[in-house]
Amino acid sequence: DAGVTQSPTHLIKTRGQQVTLRCSPKSGHDTVSWYQQALGQGPQFIFQYYEEEERQRGNFPDRFSGHQFPNYSSELNVNALLLGDSALYLCASSWGPRGNTEAFFGQGTRLTVV
Amino acid sequence: QQPVQSPQAVILREGEDAVINCSSSKALYSVHWYRQKHGEAPVFLMILLKGGEQKGHEKISASFNEKKQQSSLYLTASQLSYSGTYFCGGLVLYRGGTSYGKLTFGQGTILTVHP
Repeated sequence: DAGVTQSPTHLIKTRGQQVTLRCSPKSGHDTVSWYQQALGQGPQFIFQYYEEEERQRGNFPDRFSGHQFPNYSSELNVNALLLGDSALYLCASSWGPRGNTEAFFGQGTRLTVV
Repeated sequence: QQPVQSPQAVILREGEDAVINCSSSKALYSVHWYRQKHGEAPVFLMILLKGGEQKGHEKISASFNEKKQQSSLYLTASQLSYSGTYFCGGLVLYRGGTSYGKLTFGQGTILTVHP
């Protein structure tokens, strides 16, 4: 049974560009949450998708947007990249959106903005 | 506002015990504990859903004091494989319901186990 998979694993982009990160949830999971993790910090919640809708959002600007597909996979889009967007982007999947079940993380996408 | 973890770092010898604390200024619906090794994804350890609940798995257990909004992770007879950064994630309880999976993580506790 495949766990949470993310692609790509590493990415280098230039300031001002746009990027799309992808996530496939663990089998049986219908909820996907995205996190940004800076070096030496805990993951910071970006947003959560359930039933193809954004259900909850953290303190991130509108440059960060997402989408969930009917098969529960998800994309994270970041426009007008800034140097400060360099981080590890983690996707976590769970069953149900209410936070009362365990969430499993993917291995992350390391984004470097130069 | 993120939960506050203490201590920030712990150094142990194999076989020693450790306690990691997580404190929230807001009422929590649930507390989630994860361990992350360098360069890897956070790995789920356990979830605590209601006040006073204690859960355990082998030599790692946790408790949640709802009155104090504090959770503690207990590691007994530590092994080399326990090394890593431990994060607690709190799900804030909002009026009218939960916060729909918006986990807010602490800053992490670095645990190092030496032979």
